[in-house]
Amino acid sequence: AQTVTQSQPEMSVQEAETVTLSCTYDTSESDYYLFWYKQPPSRQMILVIRQEAYKQQNATENRFSVNFQKAAKSFSLKISDSQLGDAAMYFCACARGSARQLTFGSGTQLTVLP
Amino acid sequence: DAGVIQSPRHEVTEMGQEVTLRCKPISGHNSLFWYRQTMMRGLELLIYFNNNVPIDDSGMPEDRFSAKMPNASFSTLKIQPSEPRDSAVYFCASSFRGLPDEKLFFGSGTQLSVL
Repeated sequence: AQTVTQSQPEMSVQEAETVTLSCTYDTSESDYYLFWYKQPPSRQMILVIRQEAYKQQNATENRFSVNFQKAAKSFSLKISDSQLGDAAMYFCACARGSARQLTFGSGTQLTVLP
Repeated sequence: DAGVIQSPRHEVTEMGQEVTLRCKPISGHNSLFWYRQTMMRGLELLIYFNNNVPIDDSGMPEDRFSAKMPNASFSTLKIQPSEPRDSAVYFCASSFRGLPDEKLFFGSGTQLSVL
């Protein structure tokens, strides 16, 4: 069984600033993957970034990067140079064996202030 | 590619009625998932197909729920009879299992309201 915990129900950031969203997980699998998904008001679930547990290097996608601490089972998302379009609900997720059967956290609502 | 296509976008029905949600996965994808999103329980996996075969339906809440995938380009999730507690957003997602960078792509969801 896997669990994913997001302890920050809401976060806010000033436009152009940097914000970090927290996520911890628990899994008994040795082969697993971690994801951050964004859900804007349109409801669409959009993949932001993906991290393979066997890789030590932190994943980066443009302004989005993660801090993956495997021993601590921590997987935080850093958004640099925040933009108004980044405002959304962000979900952390864990999957055993690639993208199958994601277990999601409860989400963090991010507000970007102009 | 048009992405994962779900229909309808919104569905309002009365308790006891049959509801059918539809999904067209991305062409070439061989895995399909149905998720349900509610405020109370968040996002939950209902069922997962691989090559049109149901692999894991342990998330299906009860016998009122059934899912089919008659071919690689179409899947349905049926609720019969529907109940108010089934009100939720239902997402379909697809992926190509086997790629080293396999990613899950979601549809826009169906907002179901059971009155």
